[in-house]
Amino acid sequence: KAGVTQTPRYLIKTRGQQVTLSCSPISGHRSVSWYQQTPGQGLQFLFEYFSETQRNKGNFPGRFSGRQFSNSRSEMNVSTLELGDSALYLCASKQGALLDTGELFFGEGSRLTVL
Amino acid sequence: GEDVEQSLFLSVREGDSSVINCTYTDSSSTYLYWYKQEPGAGLQLLTYIFSNMDMKQDQRLTVLLNKKDKHLSLRIADTQTGDSAIYFCAERGRDDKIIFGKGTRLHILP
Repeated sequence: KAGVTQTPRYLIKTRGQQVTLSCSPISGHRSVSWYQQTPGQGLQFLFEYFSETQRNKGNFPGRFSGRQFSNSRSEMNVSTLELGDSALYLCASKQGALLDTGELFFGEGSRLTVL
Repeated sequence: GEDVEQSLFLSVREGDSSVINCTYTDSSSTYLYWYKQEPGAGLQLLTYIFSNMDMKQDQRLTVLLNKKDKHLSLRIADTQTGDSAIYFCAERGRDDKIIFGKGTRLHILP
């Protein structure tokens, strides 16, 4: 079974630009979550999508947005990039049923550098 | 709101036991997790414990849960160099959101 795939793995942008990151979950998983990982703040929850609907949201500004497609693939977008957005963005999928163990399967991340 | 706290660094001599501690705030957490992140990789689930359990053992790993104090610990017996990684504690709250701590970097001394 293929794991969670994130593209691109690395990218460099300049302040003010926007970026779109993509995530393909494990086949059969309907939930996709996004996290931002930085050395100072650790792993911070951005949002979770389930069956094309945002199910949960973290405390990030509106510049951070996401969506999920009917095949469960997800994208996240960051507009008007700031230096502080430089981070590793991790995508994680799970089956999504409320009674399951909630185990998240992570991709290797997309490392964004904002200059 | 939800918050998960853990110490940032731990150094342990090879062969000794490592104990990583974590505190959480959401008393309605259903599951608590330990994830491991090796350099350049995403996170991988090590083990989890359901909130109605006090202890779970899985080979070299022992998880202890104190619900009253909202305290979770992970003990790794006979720590090896391959255990060097960042360990994240996480809780699953009532809204099904999974919140992580900042991670504990485990360093193994020869």
